Amino acid sequence: EVTQPPSVSVSPGQTASITCSGDNLGHKYICWYQQKPGQSPVVVIYEDRKRPSGIPERFSGSHSGNTATLTISGTQTMDEADYYCQAWDSSTAHVVFGGGTKLTVL
Amino acid sequence: EMQLVESGGGLVQPGRSLRLSCTASGFTFDDYAMHWVRQAPGKGLEWVSGISWNSGSIGYVDSVKGRFTISRDNAKRSLYLQMNSLRTEDTALYYCAKDNDGHFDWLSFWGQGTQVTVSS
Repeated sequence: EVTQPPSVSVSPGQTASITCSGDNLGHKYICWYQQKPGQSPVVVIYEDRKRPSGIPERFSGSHSGNTATLTISGTQTMDEADYYCQAWDSSTAHVVFGGGTKLTVL
Repeated sequence: EMQLVESGGGLVQPGRSLRLSCTASGFTFDDYAMHWVRQAPGKGLEWVSGISWNSGSIGYVDSVKGRFTISRDNAKRSLYLQMNSLRTEDTALYYCAKDNDGHFDWLSFWGQGTQVTVSS
């Protein structure tokens, strides 16, 4: 099981941090998805800290032990969305999502 | 341009069956694992099932094991989800998603989803 805080609030221009924790995450890569209302998810961070092309530099990721963190620096109102972390295990053919975090920018 | 187009959703009674399809274009389909992910109304993402590039590795979330079957036809660039013994709790938007790898990794591209509603 993978746990995220249900909600995080941040003021525009400030730094938002969203955590993702689980007992067996220490040896797994984590990725992060952003989902805006009515849209399909889009990956913003993969392999703990890599950004796909087109994702702003203000998105960053880190992973220490059983906790991964998505950090959004200089948060903008357009970053308001639901964020999900995801881990996978190729040996057991399983994928798991965190419960999701609603980021409010106000 | 990469595309994933889901189809086959609809309204179905509890206990009945439905088959979802996902047709891919814009990338080499048989190089990548594929997945089904669902999202119940107002809820989070839930991985349902995944299949490796050659169908050699298949996984399911516990709640659908024995009821759902994932398959793929690489010649037709298509992914399928056969859903039997449907329950009201299976009601959700079902997304087809492309993996980043031939085996299980992160999901690099998603379709728009097809709605499944299970209700009497």
